[in-house]
Amino acid sequence: GENVEQHPSTLSVQEGDSAVIKCTYSDSASNYFPWYKQELGKRPQLIIDIRSNVGEKKDQRIAVTLNKTAKHFSLHITETQPEDSAVYFCAAGDNYGQNFVFGPGTRLSVLP
Amino acid sequence: DTEVTQTPKHLVMGMTNKKSLKCEQHMGHRAMYWYKQKAKKPPELMFVYSYEKLSINESVPSRFSPECPNSSLLNLHLHALQPEDSALYLCASSQPGRALDGELFFGEGSRLTVL
Repeated sequence: GENVEQHPSTLSVQEGDSAVIKCTYSDSASNYFPWYKQELGKRPQLIIDIRSNVGEKKDQRIAVTLNKTAKHFSLHITETQPEDSAVYFCAAGDNYGQNFVFGPGTRLSVLP
Repeated sequence: DTEVTQTPKHLVMGMTNKKSLKCEQHMGHRAMYWYKQKAKKPPELMFVYSYEKLSINESVPSRFSPECPNSSLLNLHLHALQPEDSALYLCASSQPGRALDGELFFGEGSRLTVL
């Protein structure tokens, strides 16, 4: 089955700096890669996703890149703000999103 | 309405009790999920219902019994649980079978404590 690794497990950045979180996956059949943000005590919420026919996707301050050959994908957050502080989970799975595996998570702290 | 509603928000039960967790969505989604999340861990998939039929069971112990009465409702029946089953139980829904709609919409979760 799919195995997703995520690094770093914790990340602290100064407000305004960029943050990068990296994930690797094992199953070459995976073709859907979402990123979820979970604030303390809240539900996970999708912030961006990418499919295998695309190498990069951007939404305002958030971007995701995918390297299918190397089986890794990354989340980039620019101009970080305190409200970006949360746990971020990457995931990998099939195109229908019914069975994807989450990475272990990265706790991002944005320091004012 | 983009909400997935879960009840109860908190549940404390003994190991001999029988209880149920409930989940409801009115987004017309035809896939519904139960996830288990322990503290500081990612959500772990337990069950998936697609078009009201159980499509995925991730080898979950039989003390957890899912039920999907209709396309809007999902229940998780609990019986003879163990203390290690204490966790946040998240319900989610999505639109299956369409390549552009993989997003999971999560509920706020039911926090379960087994004494």
